[in-house]
Amino acid sequence: AQSVTQPDIHITVSEGASLELRCNYPYGATPYLFWYVQSPGQGLQLLLKYFSGDTLVQGIKGFEAEFKRSQSSFNLRKPSVHWSDAAEYFCAVGLRGQLTFGSGTQLTVLP
Amino acid sequence: EPEVTQTPSHQVTQMGQEVILRCVPISNHLYFYWYRQILGQKVEFLVSFYNNEISEKSEIFDDQFSVERPDGSNFTLKIRSTKLEDSAMYFCASGSAGTAQETQYFGPGTRLLVL
Repeated sequence: AQSVTQPDIHITVSEGASLELRCNYPYGATPYLFWYVQSPGQGLQLLLKYFSGDTLVQGIKGFEAEFKRSQSSFNLRKPSVHWSDAAEYFCAVGLRGQLTFGSGTQLTVLP
Repeated sequence: EPEVTQTPSHQVTQMGQEVILRCVPISNHLYFYWYRQILGQKVEFLVSFYNNEISEKSEIFDDQFSVERPDGSNFTLKIRSTKLEDSAMYFCASGSAGTAQETQYFGPGTRLLVL
């Protein structure tokens, strides 16, 4: 079965530091890619998505992600992390109207 | 901003009991979904629903599961005879297009615990 890989289970960064969360997908064709964030007790909130065109996409809360076909990657980045960014982040691929999620990366932000 | 709501937020039930999880999708959306997340595992697709029919379902969605849109606003997931392994967070989502590239909007989830 096709799957989305998030290699980092847990990442810890200091507030104000830059952040990169990794996501890889095994598909040959360009898929539809999403990043969602889940705060404790909350549902999944869409941060950004990529379908086609410019490979660098901007999202909410200052996040961006870059699609790299050669690396089958769609990594999420933020130049300066805020304490409120502490949450779990999920990469997902859209296929036939359903989302296939990675296993998630838990982000801890140190003061 | 419109949002997807789910009730109850938490449900505890005995093994073998029936449970119904409720969702109110965003009002102008036509495509509805259920996902689940077992503690410590990935969010997994269960089923998609459009025009009062199941569009897609995963292998998890066996005969113990059913979905229904009983009126113009609610979308329900029923588990007929719960098993211990059904304990999970269940997320409802809705969308306007049903395509691979559309944004699905998720509710806050219902945490189901089967004892």
